[in-house]
Amino acid sequence: EAQVTQNPRYLITVTGKKLTVTCSQNMNHEYMSWYRQDPGLGLRQIYYSMNVEVTDKGDVPEGYKVSRKEKRNFPLILESPSPNQTSLYFCASSLGQGTSEQFFGPGTRLTVL
Amino acid sequence: KQEVTQIPAALSVPEGENLVLNCSFTDSAIYNLQWFRQDPGKGLTSLLLIQSSQREQTSGRLNASLDKSSGRSTLYIAASQPGDSATYLCAVVMDTGRRALTFGSGTRLQVQP
Repeated sequence: EAQVTQNPRYLITVTGKKLTVTCSQNMNHEYMSWYRQDPGLGLRQIYYSMNVEVTDKGDVPEGYKVSRKEKRNFPLILESPSPNQTSLYFCASSLGQGTSEQFFGPGTRLTVL
Repeated sequence: KQEVTQIPAALSVPEGENLVLNCSFTDSAIYNLQWFRQDPGKGLTSLLLIQSSQREQTSGRLNASLDKSSGRSTLYIAASQPGDSATYLCAVVMDTGRRALTFGSGTRLQVQP
């Protein structure tokens, strides 16, 4: 089944404890990105990757890192999480360089205490 | 900066009704527009993608139209069912830049049995 998977789906952590949210797609997509969804602010792009080894900042990149060593994987790294990073996170992928239909993962609900 | 607006913010209809959800965007230089559905606490499911050169797309009981020059799109749902209850989001990708989706705030639909 063609899909975008994320792990973990739910995570509660404490301020300053490094964490990684994994994202993987099995559709051979070039373009991948991360969004966060917050009440009243909607969905905003954090980082994106046009293809392997090429990543760049989105609208709200502060406090996040990403890497794209393989085409299928695009992990989101929070080096020192803070409470304002409590949010619902989505990974997305697209066949073209963002110009095709975009598919989203199931989401990761992160709480930082 | 692109802004996407969705009206109404919430809608409640009896089962069987045909309904229209509206989406407007301020910058007509878009590459495509995509409609999504989001169930509470869940991920985004892609419904329809309309390229900027297209006027409409259909999938089952759903029909989406695009008037790029006036900055408008509509999602028509025929013969609504309780299972259609969800939040519907429209999002646009600009024809230049990082191909981020710019989302509207959504229309929360409830279909009463």
